[in-house]
Amino acid sequence: EAGVVQSPRYKIIEKKQPVAFWCNPISGHNTLYWYRQNLGQGPELLIRYENEEAVDDSQLPKDRFSAERLKGVDSTLKIQPAELGDSAVYLCAITSSGGTGELFFGEGSRLTVL
Amino acid sequence: QKEVEQNSGPLSVPEGAIASLNCTYSDRGSQSFFWYRQYSGKSPELIMFIYSNGDKEDGRFTAQLNKASQYVSLLIRDSQPSDSATYLCAVRRDSNYQLIWGAGTKLIIKP
Repeated sequence: EAGVVQSPRYKIIEKKQPVAFWCNPISGHNTLYWYRQNLGQGPELLIRYENEEAVDDSQLPKDRFSAERLKGVDSTLKIQPAELGDSAVYLCAITSSGGTGELFFGEGSRLTVL
Repeated sequence: QKEVEQNSGPLSVPEGAIASLNCTYSDRGSQSFFWYRQYSGKSPELIMFIYSNGDKEDGRFTAQLNKASQYVSLLIRDSQPSDSATYLCAVRRDSNYQLIWGAGTKLIIKP
């Protein structure tokens, strides 16, 4: 059974502060995604990993966002410095091993930037 | 034009009736289509996926795909209050396998 644990669930920071999110998927899932979801919108892809390699980061705002996936398992997403517009839910997802393309999401990290 | 479009709603349906949710997409080469349900404050969870033209049924849910007209729909029979949620349509590009998401339709089932 797929499972994705994210932390923290909620984070409130002031603008210009840094913030980091963690994603811990059940091992054995090679593909990992970070999405951002704004209120009333669908998820927006930030970055996709195949093992340790970021294979699609075209929508990651690289001036302030960074991500890494050590040893092809856990992943972190960092924002430095945060801006007001970064307030959103950050979702981590893995692809099912059955090859259907189904995504399993973690519970998400809700960021509020004041 | 957005790649995947959905009516934002809310769509209000009486309990026990059929709820019909629609989604159109622009990339004619798309081959995989997904419906996710998202409860308020929760993450999306997969309801159904469909690859072939026609209908696919799973319990009270039926997905319908028409590639010629570039739309995919989700029917929910015998709607229950627990079906009240936002339904997200996602389409996978065959060029890079990226999922493109609609903004979702908010469904309200009235008891």
